[in-house]
Amino acid sequence: RKEVEQDPGPFNVPEGATVAFNCTYSNSASQSFFWYRQDCRKEPKLLMSVYSSGNEDGRFTAQLNRASQYISLLIRDSKLSDSATYLCVVNGEAGNTGKLIFGQGTTLQVKP
Amino acid sequence: NAGVTQTPKFQVLKTGQSMTLQCAQDMNHNSMYWYRQDPGMGLRLIYYSASEGTTDKGEVPNGYNVSRLNKREFSLRLESAAPSQTSVYFCASRQDRVQFFGPGTRLTVL
Repeated sequence: RKEVEQDPGPFNVPEGATVAFNCTYSNSASQSFFWYRQDCRKEPKLLMSVYSSGNEDGRFTAQLNRASQYISLLIRDSKLSDSATYLCVVNGEAGNTGKLIFGQGTTLQVKP
Repeated sequence: NAGVTQTPKFQVLKTGQSMTLQCAQDMNHNSMYWYRQDPGMGLRLIYYSASEGTTDKGEVPNGYNVSRLNKREFSLRLESAAPSQTSVYFCASRQDRVQFFGPGTRLTVL
């Protein structure tokens, strides 16, 4: 079993749609959770951290369910510019090494 | 403020050749990381450096060596390149819990 699992997609949605991605992780001791965005042939960039109480940044909402060990990302009112691969990322071990485990990513295509 | 920079952007090697990938950051971060990204797989950690003067193995260190030259620079060396090392290589540095990535090096080994 992969440590961080995502549905690779692609998710094809029309502009204005709401789309949700889920991710599961295997290490119950993980403490830090993130969503990164990666555009084609570019480097990953932080989209948002995921907090226990859930958090929102504009059209993006992230949720964490520790009991079930999954993380979600909801995108409302999708824009063409949201087309990218979304990486679910979890810290890999206790302590402060900063080691991260990346999911393989979920590809989103927003169509006009 | 350039962030994290990597050189070269592209490289083609023949099997058995050696090369060094360079990475530098100007954000005064202590921790730096090297990853590789292959199709259908997430980024995998090759080596990391928690602070100047220290390096540790990640998930896939075989075939690679690293040098943390100073606080700014963290290089990755392939001593004898193999086709299995064809990949995109990303360097990153860390501030608090967040990692910032360089633009990547696309390496092909023939």
